[in-house]
Amino acid sequence: AQSVAQPEDQVNVAEGNPLTVKCTYSVSGNPYLFWYVQYPNRGLQFLLKYITGDNLVKGSYGFEAEFNKSQTSFHLKKPSALVSDSALYFCAVRDRGNTGFQKLVFGTGTRLLVSP
Amino acid sequence: DSGVTQTPKHLITATGQRVTLRCSPRSGDLSVYWYQQSLDQGLQFLIQYYNGEERAKGNILERFSAQQFPDLHSELNLSSLELGDSALYFCASSVGGENAGQYFGPGTRLTVT
Repeated sequence: AQSVAQPEDQVNVAEGNPLTVKCTYSVSGNPYLFWYVQYPNRGLQFLLKYITGDNLVKGSYGFEAEFNKSQTSFHLKKPSALVSDSALYFCAVRDRGNTGFQKLVFGTGTRLLVSP
Repeated sequence: DSGVTQTPKHLITATGQRVTLRCSPRSGDLSVYWYQQSLDQGLQFLIQYYNGEERAKGNILERFSAQQFPDLHSELNLSSLELGDSALYFCASSVGGENAGQYFGPGTRLTVT
């Protein structure tokens, strides 16, 4: 079965500094990977996805993610963090399942706290 | 705003009761997915429908059921509720293709007392 792991429960970073939220994956076949963000009392918002192609994927709100096949990682990055980036971030992998239709398998989430 | 709507936003009910959560997908999306987010289980896939037909099942309890109607809206029915069913229930929709992303609604927060 496909799975992702987010090894950090929380990441703290100062505003203006670069941030990285880590994700590693375990899949059979080609990985289809996603990042979502959840703000307090809100639903999940899609940030970016990796299907194929360039290893550096650019997404919403200035976020990007680097796909690394040899390290089976898909870390989320941003060059300069904002206080408003503070939220819960989820890495996910597509699992096609028996019927061939996709579902998302989520990591446990990483809380990002950006201090002023 | 993802374009996916869910009602109600909040629901408080007692153990043993039955509730229905409703989801309207984005215009044009044929697939609807239900997920449960709880503190102990995290975000888990429950069930998927595509154009009215059930396509995939995840960790959905037998007390739970869902359906997708001809107008493509979906309902998740939860019965014989237990305290442990308290969670945030998300609906997501997609066009249903191979590489289609899933767009999530704001969720329904269910509290069972």
